[in-house]
Amino acid sequence: EVQLVESGGGLVQPGGSLRLSCAASGFTFSNYWMSWVRQAPGKGLEWVANIKEDGSEKYYVDSVKGRFTISRDNANNSLYLQMNTLRAEDTAVYYCTTYTAGGFDHWGQGTLVTVSS
Amino acid sequence: DVVMTQSPLSLPVTLGQPASISCRSSQSLVYSDGNTYLNWFQQRPGQSPRRLIYKVSNRESGVPDRFSGSGSGTDFTLKISRVEAEDVGVYYCMQGTYWPPTFGQGTKLEIK
Repeated sequence: EVQLVESGGGLVQPGGSLRLSCAASGFTFSNYWMSWVRQAPGKGLEWVANIKEDGSEKYYVDSVKGRFTISRDNANNSLYLQMNTLRAEDTAVYYCTTYTAGGFDHWGQGTLVTVSS
Repeated sequence: DVVMTQSPLSLPVTLGQPASISCRSSQSLVYSDGNTYLNWFQQRPGQSPRRLIYKVSNRESGVPDRFSGSGSGTDFTLKISRVEAEDVGVYYCMQGTYWPPTFGQGTKLEIK
């Protein structure tokens, strides 16, 4: 069974940093593109970033370019999102997902990031 | 960016009755490989989203066959043949043909 377990969320001040982690199991992690998708409180879904199977290609939504970095450790079946210079509008639940057939097929339970003073 | 527009945004349905959600894209979602990367997701209250349909009409494993997807080009539809109580939640369409991937605003299905 595919499992994706996010961690690392919490309360951070504007301008601060946070690193999210996602532990993957139940599938061959190194064979899959991976993604982060977020959902602001009471709002819809927004794609944040994607990373290729071997980490050689990375893509970001414009609003986080230069501030967020997606990375992966295939040896440890882990996905990461380093978030710097956080803003109030980054407040959201962040989901770790697999990316196949042009969409997000498996989702974690999400981790809440709150940016507030 | 490709804009995905769903309608209606609110959908009250009687149990056992059919339901239909429309999704329109601002440009054709046919990719150069001939595939159309249009997905449908369900998000039940308090839960993570779950993909129901990929490439317009392919059901994910475990998705009941009362859910079906159809459409082409820029117009797509998710249909539920007979709504059950467990279908309450928000439904999103999403395109993966172009970067960045984009979602519709969501359609909230409730029981009348």
